[in-house]
Amino acid sequence: GAGVSQSPSNKVTEKGKDVELRCDPISGHTALYWYRQSLGQGLEFLIYFQGNSAPDKSGLPSDRFSAERTGGSVSTLTIQRTQQEDSAVYLCASSLSGDPDTQYFGPGTRLTVL
Amino acid sequence: SQKIEQNSEALNIQEGKTATLTCNYTNYSPAYLQWYRQDPGRGPVFLLLIRENEKEKRKERLKVTFDTTLKQSLFHITASQPADSATYLCALVDGGFKTIFGAGTRLFVKA
Repeated sequence: GAGVSQSPSNKVTEKGKDVELRCDPISGHTALYWYRQSLGQGLEFLIYFQGNSAPDKSGLPSDRFSAERTGGSVSTLTIQRTQQEDSAVYLCASSLSGDPDTQYFGPGTRLTVL
Repeated sequence: SQKIEQNSEALNIQEGKTATLTCNYTNYSPAYLQWYRQDPGRGPVFLLLIRENEKEKRKERLKVTFDTTLKQSLFHITASQPADSATYLCALVDGGFKTIFGAGTRLFVKA
């Protein structure tokens, strides 16, 4: 596709359930980022993938959060045992190279934990 | 502690006027700073990047300044239009790849 896509666009889940959020970056982009945006807040960095290098997971808020990127393309963000405070919009972005010069964002997944 | 701050109050201006948005940061030494636009329900869209050795950058009606001494960036939209109404996010890159975003300032341009 022409841009970054994310799925699902909306996810409602019950507290304690696991969720998986998917990101398809722009073809050829080697860098992929996950962010979280809570209502009225800025984007909170979660994790960064660059090529085949080990990801930087320093922004993940707890060990309930994990992410993987298969084949240097599609990425999945998994949240285990969801909590109400996990409710937010999860945004994925990709960029052509490791330098975060221009990040292209997807539309986000709105997660609501009841 | 490290902080990046943007005016939390919305900015309301009349069509045709120049909008000026402020981004201040503390305890960072960014290699460069970026401005993004975000519309409701959408992901941010990149607008401009300015490097630490650049004082000013322009793109059409947009102008960004970067003062590393004041630790401040100003974002200007000249001849503003109602279509410019959105939230504008400031972001800095503090070495490496990690991008730190401000909370954004909402701009409303009245016709």
